[in-house]
Amino acid sequence: GDSVTQMEGPVTLSEEAFLTINCTYTATGYPSLFWYVQYPGEGLQLLLKATKADDKGSNKGFEATYRKETTSFHLEKGSVQVSDSAVYFCALTHTNAGKSTFGDGTTLTVKP
Amino acid sequence: DAGVTQSPTHLIKTRGQQVTLRCSPKSGHDTVSWYQQALGQGPQFIFQYYEEEERQRGNFPDRFSGHQFPNYSSELNVNALLLGDSALYLCASSLDRQRYGYTFGSGTRLTVV
Repeated sequence: GDSVTQMEGPVTLSEEAFLTINCTYTATGYPSLFWYVQYPGEGLQLLLKATKADDKGSNKGFEATYRKETTSFHLEKGSVQVSDSAVYFCALTHTNAGKSTFGDGTTLTVKP
Repeated sequence: DAGVTQSPTHLIKTRGQQVTLRCSPKSGHDTVSWYQQALGQGPQFIFQYYEEEERQRGNFPDRFSGHQFPNYSSELNVNALLLGDSALYLCASSLDRQRYGYTFGSGTRLTVV
């Protein structure tokens, strides 16, 4: 079955540091890939997406590239802010499928 | 434009009881999915409703059931509650589930004692 593996956290960075959160997946075919962010006490918010190989999703300074050859979708940001502190989830969804499969999340803490 | 609305926000139930959680999807969305998120884990798919029918189901027992109404709102029912059912229950709505991702509600925190 499908699976998503994220780098284990927590990740602690200083403000303006470079961020990478690794995500790899196992799936048949060509799923769409997503990053969601969850702030304390809230539900998940869609951060960015990519629907086919070599697509780059981007939003709010975050970006991730769909790499089919390495089955990866790593999240990056050049300069993090304290407000980026949250839990980040990588997920995949198949065409015409109902469910999304999520990783276990990576907690990011950014210190001033 | 209201997003996904879930009620109640918090709930405490006793083992063996039954619970109903409610969800109103984002305006314009016709598909509702339910997820269970245990503490420190990613959301796990329970089921998805479209056109008032369960279209797909995850690996959850029959104690978990649902319903979708003509206005696309949905309910999640859990019977014979177990301590292990304590979790954050998330409702997610979508129009095109494959390409655009879900819009999630803030969830219902269920505690079974």
